[in-house]
Amino acid sequence: DAKTTQPTSMDCAEGRAANLPCNHSTISGNEYVYWYRQIHSQGPQYIIHGLKNNETNEMASLIITEDRKSSTLILPHATLRDTAVYYCIVRVARSGGSNYKLTFGKGTLLTVNP
Amino acid sequence: DAEITQSPRHKITETGRQVTLACHQTWNHNNMFWYRQDLGHGLRLIHYSYGVQDTNKGEVSDGYSVSRSNTEDLPLTLESAASSQTSVYFCASSESGSLNTGELFFGEGSRLTVL
Repeated sequence: DAKTTQPTSMDCAEGRAANLPCNHSTISGNEYVYWYRQIHSQGPQYIIHGLKNNETNEMASLIITEDRKSSTLILPHATLRDTAVYYCIVRVARSGGSNYKLTFGKGTLLTVNP
Repeated sequence: DAEITQSPRHKITETGRQVTLACHQTWNHNNMFWYRQDLGHGLRLIHYSYGVQDTNKGEVSDGYSVSRSNTEDLPLTLESAASSQTSVYFCASSESGSLNTGELFFGEGSRLTVL
């Protein structure tokens, strides 16, 4: 699986958009970009994933560059409850039984300030 | 609602004792995983299973074992607990085959302290 690079920490004001970057310059054509978050002392929670098109769900938007070497997770209106560690992971989505593992890096600690 | 539960949520034990952490999921997922999380290391994979009777070692498997006798459960055993195994342990599960989208469902974690 391709390696990802994320900033160690970021701050965001409550009510503003939080834009979390991720670099994955060695991503392969069949690898998806996944985002998870972990609120303090809880288990990680899936947010969103995508291949090459931008994706949006009720939690966030995922913007993937045209060359797929980087992506940005956008929380449109951050709240205090969005304070968490955000993990960007690259992996083949449907691996036909060979590899369902996810490898977590250290992620980005997003702190939403009042 | 389907869920994944871990027990105990908190445990204190002594060095050398055997400890078993339970993980139970009701989604009928074939894939189950155990991770540990320590400050400065993030989440690291200990063991995983892709179905009944299937078990595999992850990146930090020394001192741990798992068994998969049914779909719902993947207990994690520390045969002889060491202080270095003080950590927070997370269990997760996911779909397999064509249903797999890469999404893992995590439990709430088990905090283990080895004195």
